Amino acid sequence: DAGVIQSPRHEVTEMGQEVTLRCKPISGHDYLFWYRQTMMRGLELLIYFNNNVPIDDSGMPEDRFSAKMPNASFSTLKIQPSEPRDSAVYFCASSSDTEAFFGQGTRLTVV
Amino acid sequence: RKEVEQDPGPFNVPEGATVAFNCTYSNSASQSFFWYRQDCRKEPKLLMSVYSSGNEDGRFTAQLNRASQYISLLIRDSKLSDSATYLCVVNWGFGNEKLTFGTGTRLTIIP
Repeated sequence: DAGVIQSPRHEVTEMGQEVTLRCKPISGHDYLFWYRQTMMRGLELLIYFNNNVPIDDSGMPEDRFSAKMPNASFSTLKIQPSEPRDSAVYFCASSSDTEAFFGQGTRLTVV
Repeated sequence: RKEVEQDPGPFNVPEGATVAFNCTYSNSASQSFFWYRQDCRKEPKLLMSVYSSGNEDGRFTAQLNRASQYISLLIRDSKLSDSATYLCVVNWGFGNEKLTFGTGTRLTIIP
C-alpha cells in the first residue's frame, strides 16, 4: 500500500478563497483523522471519522471548516472562506487499531 | 490545563549521552499511551507504545506512571539520527479514537 495520500502537498491561496484538502486513507483502515499543526499550538485534532461517519468534530475551529467522507477511500477538509490564521500544515491520518499512519501533510498558506 | 503537556525543549545533548523526556496528561481515565517521532517537515510516525509495566525497544525505554499521570521516554547512547521532535500521545478510549498529542519535545544531538 502507498500509505495515506494527501493532496495538494502545498497550497497558497488568497484570503477569502475556498480551499479543499484531500485525503486517501490506507485501504482497510476504519478510522480517519484530520489534524492541524502550527508552531504555536502543535498538533490539534480537528475531526475524526469511524466507518465514514463523523464521530467527533469538536476540534473544528469554526463554521468555516467542514469535512466529509463520502466513502471509505476518500475524505475532504474544506475551508470557506479562508483566512491568514488558517495557515498551517494539515495532516490526515488513518488507523485500524492502535497505530495511526499519517500522510505527508498539506502546507497551507493564506495570504 | 492542557490535556497532554510536554517540555518543548529544545534539548541539546552530546552524542552518546542519555536523555529523558517526561509528559503529563490530565485525564485519569486515559487508556493508551504512545510516543511518536516527527522529523523536520515530515509527518509524525509511531516510535513505540507505552505499556503499564514499562517497555524497552533497543536504546529506547518507555515508562508509565498512572498514579502521577505521566509517561517518560529514555534514550540511551544517543545518535545523531535521534535528532527529532518527540510527541507524547494519549488516547481516551479503548481503541484508537481521538489520539491527543502533546506539542512535542525537540531534541538535537550534538556531534
